[in-house]
Amino acid sequence: GNSVTQMEGPVTLSEEAFLTINCTYTATGYPSLFWYVQYPGEGLQLLLKATKADDKGSNKGFEATYRKETTSFHLEKGSVQVSDSAVYFCALSVRDNFNKFYFGSGTKLNVKP
Amino acid sequence: DADVTQTPRNRITKTGKRIMLECSQTKGHDRMYWYRQDPGLGLRLIYYSFDVKDINKGEISDGYSVSRQAQAKFSLSLESAIPNQTALYFCATSQEGKSYNEQFFGPGTRLTVL
Repeated sequence: GNSVTQMEGPVTLSEEAFLTINCTYTATGYPSLFWYVQYPGEGLQLLLKATKADDKGSNKGFEATYRKETTSFHLEKGSVQVSDSAVYFCALSVRDNFNKFYFGSGTKLNVKP
Repeated sequence: DADVTQTPRNRITKTGKRIMLECSQTKGHDRMYWYRQDPGLGLRLIYYSFDVKDINKGEISDGYSVSRQAQAKFSLSLESAIPNQTALYFCATSQEGKSYNEQFFGPGTRLTVL
C-alpha cells in the first residue's frame, strides 16, 4: 500500500542549528513527494515538492531530495530561525485513478532564540 | 484574499447536534477534499469530490456526509455530533493535471463537541 512515516516530534533546536526531519515512504506506483508546513493557527502550505527520483525540492532555505533507492525524502535546513517553528508534514501522491494524498503524522519543530 | 475559505473557524457544540462546516474556493479547481487532523495522526481523508456530480468516501467517512453544491462549494455535515469528532477540519482543493496535483488548504475549522 501507500504510506508515509516521519520522525516523531517535537524537535527542539536553537536558532541557527541544522535541521533534519526524516521521512520514508512506501508506494504502489511512482509517487510525487511533498513537504507541507503548518504554522500555528493556519492551514497547511506547500513548502517544496519533487516529482521524480533524484529531484531536489527547495524553498525558503529548506531542501529535500527524492531518494528512490532508500524510499526517503528527508527535509533539511542549514540554519533554522525562530520563524521556522511549525508542524511539518511529509506527503506522497500517486498517479492512479485518483491522485490521493497520503500524509505522515507531522513533526512539530520548536526553534528557541 | 484567501483562495480557500472555511466557515466557521471555530465551533463548540453539544453531543447530538447537527453541524455543517462550509468550504468555498476561488481557485477554479475541480477537486475538493475534507480532512480531519488529530494530534499524532496527521491528516485523514473524510470525503473527496472530483466534480459537482462526483462524491467519494475517504478512509473515515462514518458519521459524516458532504454536499457539493457548486464547483466552488463543498460542505461537510455531522448529522449527530459526538465527542470523538472533536478535531481540526481542513478543506483542500486541487486541479487535475496542474502542479502535480498539489493540494491547497483552507485555514481550518476547530470543532469541539461537548
